[in-house]
Amino acid sequence: GAGVSQTPSNKVTEKGKYVELRCDPISGHTALYWYRQSLGQGPEFLIYFQGTGAADDSGLPNDRFFAVRPEGSVSTLKIQRTERGDSAVYLCASTLSGANVLTFGAGSRLTVL
Amino acid sequence: GDSVTQMEGPVTLSEEAFLTINCTYTATGYPSLFWYVQYPGEGLQLLLKATKADDKGSNKGFEATYRKETTSFHLEKGSVQVSDSAVYFCALSSDSGNTPLVFGKGTRLSVIA
Repeated sequence: GAGVSQTPSNKVTEKGKYVELRCDPISGHTALYWYRQSLGQGPEFLIYFQGTGAADDSGLPNDRFFAVRPEGSVSTLKIQRTERGDSAVYLCASTLSGANVLTFGAGSRLTVL
Repeated sequence: GDSVTQMEGPVTLSEEAFLTINCTYTATGYPSLFWYVQYPGEGLQLLLKATKADDKGSNKGFEATYRKETTSFHLEKGSVQVSDSAVYFCALSSDSGNTPLVFGKGTRLSVIA
């Protein structure tokens, strides 16, 4: 597509529920990143994919967070047993392999009540 | 680890005023440096970048020079406009590949007519 698309743009859920956030990167971009941005903070790295595999998942805060990219294009960030502290804007970005200029999506705002 | 420190906001300026947003970094090796901008309701966008010492990145009247001796990448604009109101993020990437970007906390700029 023309840009990085993220859905849903807004998600409100209750504590303890499971959530999936989707990212559709720019066509042909092999590298895909997930970041989390809390209020008043800069984006915080979570995980990055090169193709289908997670090249670096060192930013995932705990084992409730998981991400997949089964066909090397669309990626899903999955959060189990959500907690209020998970409330943030989750950003996805993509780039061509070897290039470090990221194109970001508009983000998915998650609110855990 | 790598880190970015940028001046706290918010910064409020009158139209046509001179802008400086300070950014300093800590990194091993020779990182690439970036400024990203987030306009209200939009995703992060690359504003400018520099990949080696003494390089100057520029775009839309904004400039930043990569100063290795002071580990700085300050953002400047000679005459700001109301449309420049946004949050500005300084970031670094520790190599030229796909190493995840490390962001500062962001500086909110408000320009009043």
